[in-house]
Amino acid sequence: SYVLTQPPSVSVAPGNTARITCGGKNIETKSVHWYQQRPGQAPMMVISYDNERPPGIPERFSGSNSGDTATLTISRVEAGDEADYYCQVWDGSSDHVVFGGGTKLTVL
Amino acid sequence: EVLLVESGGGLVKPGGSLRLSCAGSQFTFSNYNINWVRQAPGKGLEWVSTITRSSSYIYYEDSVRGRFTISRDNVKNSVYLQMKSLRADDTAVYYCARGSPNGELDYWGQGILVTVSS
Repeated sequence: SYVLTQPPSVSVAPGNTARITCGGKNIETKSVHWYQQRPGQAPMMVISYDNERPPGIPERFSGSNSGDTATLTISRVEAGDEADYYCQVWDGSSDHVVFGGGTKLTVL
Repeated sequence: EVLLVESGGGLVKPGGSLRLSCAGSQFTFSNYNINWVRQAPGKGLEWVSTITRSSSYIYYEDSVRGRFTISRDNVKNSVYLQMKSLRADDTAVYYCARGSPNGELDYWGQGILVTVSS
């Protein structure tokens, strides 16, 4: 089955840019969606279809997808961005929703 | 505002059964797939099952196939997850989430805890 690989943790100082990667074989052929999960809360979609922001999501959040890597970029990081982030795709060959293992973003 | 509310969780003994419900409101329920996603304590998100708009297609994660059954009632705007032969490793918060045919899960419920323990 399809596997998505994320780094367990990323740290960034406030005001800087955070980049969270999501690796998968030929992931560029799939639509990648990203979710933010703050402690004790349900996940919330922050990027869909590689680089689309749902209503209400700040422009600081953006995405890209090329080759074997999709990336979530958070510009001008704020303390409130500290959370777990998950990438996700639909794997049509197995008819499975697939999540990455998640990345904990720490704002220093 | 789109709302999804899970219910039916609780404590159950190994080998027991439980039925979760997910009630949707403030959107045309029959136009959307519904997914169940779970999260074991301290762990990441794990997809469990998907049911398409008219129940034409149903998908399961391998470890629950044969033990869990997903169904929906578009008149009641509800999706159900019947869970049987529960094991300790089924212990998790279970979320229902609205989805599209392309797989994004755009709205999530608040989650419901299922604990499997003797």
